[in-house]
Amino acid sequence: EIVLTQSPGTLSLSPGERATLSCRASQSVTSSYLAWYQHKPGQAPRLLIYGASNRATGIPDRFSGSESGTDFTLTISRLEPEDFAVYYCQQYGSSLWTFGQGTKVEVK
Amino acid sequence: QVQLVQSGTEVKKPGASVKVSCKGSGYTFSNYGTTWVRQAPGQGLEWMGWISALNGKIIYARKFEGRVTMTTDTSTSTAYMEVRSLRSDDTALYYCSASTTVAWGQYWGQGTLVTVSS
Repeated sequence: EIVLTQSPGTLSLSPGERATLSCRASQSVTSSYLAWYQHKPGQAPRLLIYGASNRATGIPDRFSGSESGTDFTLTISRLEPEDFAVYYCQQYGSSLWTFGQGTKVEVK
Repeated sequence: QVQLVQSGTEVKKPGASVKVSCKGSGYTFSNYGTTWVRQAPGQGLEWMGWISALNGKIIYARKFEGRVTMTTDTSTSTAYMEVRSLRSDDTALYYCSASTTVAWGQYWGQGTLVTVSS
């Protein structure tokens, strides 16, 4: 089973700042099957990025995804107040999903 | 627009069963698969499995095989997930998600809280 390790655990930033979230896989991941979600308390998870770098429908272009080998990155170019949330990476492989443990982006 | 509406809060005793429903609208249900994910209090997201409404194929997470059953009813555009032999550590928010691919969750329900307590 592929383990996804997200870092940092918590990111304390101010609105307008750039957020860089990391997701490292324990072994090779098919990039087509790497996704990022935003999750706020009391709400459903929201698909942000699929296929490592494709924005889902309706997702603002301040969100972007990239990959380098087994390292995947979610970047939020300029944080808006509504962006403070927990972010999860997720991969599909060998007929199962695994999630990272999440990165909380909080207001500094 | 696409909506997934899940059934309401459940409180169950250890050893009981629970069946959560997820009704889809705004899309062609039979062309989508439904994934089930849960989140225990203070924990991250945990994948439980996936079912295709197109061909009935099911993939269960190994942890839940034998204790969880996923089904769909295309006539009502509803997916169901039953968990048997409930334990206290099954207390969680259970989410359904619909997608045209098994690889990620495109649309999500609002979640169903299941509390297991004696």
